[in-house]
Amino acid sequence: NAGVTQTPKFQVLKTGQSMTLQCAQDMNHEYMSWYRQDPGMGLRLIHYSVGAGITDQGEVPNGYNVSRSTTEDFPLRLLSAAPSQTSVYFCASSRGWRSNQPQHFGDGTRLSIL
Amino acid sequence: TQLLEQSPQFLSIQEGENLTVYCNSSSVFSSLQWYRQEPGEGPVLLVTVVTGGEVKKLKRLTFQFGDARKDSSLHITAAQPGDTGLYLCAGLGAGGTSYGKLTFGQGTILTVHP
Repeated sequence: NAGVTQTPKFQVLKTGQSMTLQCAQDMNHEYMSWYRQDPGMGLRLIHYSVGAGITDQGEVPNGYNVSRSTTEDFPLRLLSAAPSQTSVYFCASSRGWRSNQPQHFGDGTRLSIL
Repeated sequence: TQLLEQSPQFLSIQEGENLTVYCNSSSVFSSLQWYRQEPGEGPVLLVTVVTGGEVKKLKRLTFQFGDARKDSSLHITAAQPGDTGLYLCAGLGAGGTSYGKLTFGQGTILTVHP
């Protein structure tokens, strides 16, 4: 079972560059989300989607864009990378939102901005 | 924004010792999830507690949800080296702008020495 797949696993960018972090799930989950994980700060919600065509902002959305054209895919775009965006990014999916369904996480993308 | 304070941030103990990790908030949560994360991987759900006062056991791990659904604890009995990892609590927002969103604690890095 693939579950949640994130690519790339590692990426180094220069300040000002843009890139897209890919996330795909094969569980037909309606709810998908992006988190960033920084030391001592747990996971913070960037953006989330409750279904295809529907996205909303989380706790730390600035500098990031998302879209959800299909149920399976939920890419995260960095518009103009900044050193403050150096972090580990996790994509997650679950069967429903506003529910107690477990979040299924990918293995993360480790992003460094120079 | 809801806050979930997790403590301690670091825990280093000997095999066979007991330990407790706490998550506290001034906000009420619909439910509380506990995750465990290994290096280089995404968090994996251990348990979800839903009802105030609920206690769930998973082998040597005991999870408790506070009566007022504002706090939770994880107790490990006779810790083993295989318990080493990052433990994260996450509360599901019960109302307002946090409704349906997960708020994560800062995490507890547990190291169990043989």
